[in-house]
Amino acid sequence: RKEVEQDPGPFNVPEGATVAFNCTYSNSASQSFFWYRQDCRKEPKLLMSVYSSGNEDGRFTAQLNRASQYISLLIRDSKLSDSATYLCVVTLTDSWGKLQFGAGTQVVVTP
Amino acid sequence: EAQVTQNPRYLITVTGKKLTVTCSQNMNHEYMSWYRQDPGLGLRQIYYSMNVEVTDKGDVPEGYKVSRKEKRNFPLILESPSPNQTSLYFCASSKQGSGYTFGSGTRLTVV
Repeated sequence: RKEVEQDPGPFNVPEGATVAFNCTYSNSASQSFFWYRQDCRKEPKLLMSVYSSGNEDGRFTAQLNRASQYISLLIRDSKLSDSATYLCVVTLTDSWGKLQFGAGTQVVVTP
Repeated sequence: EAQVTQNPRYLITVTGKKLTVTCSQNMNHEYMSWYRQDPGLGLRQIYYSMNVEVTDKGDVPEGYKVSRKEKRNFPLILESPSPNQTSLYFCASSKQGSGYTFGSGTRLTVV
């Protein structure tokens, strides 16, 4: 079983709609969580950190559910430029160097 | 500009010919890391470093070496490249508690 799992998609979303997807992690000791965005074969770019209380950054909302061991990302009012692969990243506080990546969820926003 | 710089961006080489991919960061980050990305497998960690002269294996270290003699540099060395090391490679750096910043990637082909 992979340590970090994501639905690969693609999630086909009409422009202006809302899309949400999850990422599950297997290590209950995981402490830090991030969402990255990756455009086709380019470098991943940090989208947002995920905090215990949940956090919002413009149209993006991230949530953490420790009991069920998953994090979520919600994108409101989707733009064409949101089309990308979204990577979930998990790390342990006492092993900051060792990151675990999900394989990514592809989002395609259509006109 | 804060950045992670990898060189070269593209490299075609022959089996068995030693090569080095350089990585440099200008953010005074303690943590640096190397990943490879292959279709369907996502990002997999090769090696990471917590500080100068401190390195550790990631998930797929076989066939690779690293060194961290200076804080800003973290080269990836392939002593005897093989075709199964054909991949897209990313270097990344971070400070404790923050997300990682990635370099632009190195596309390596071993023939």
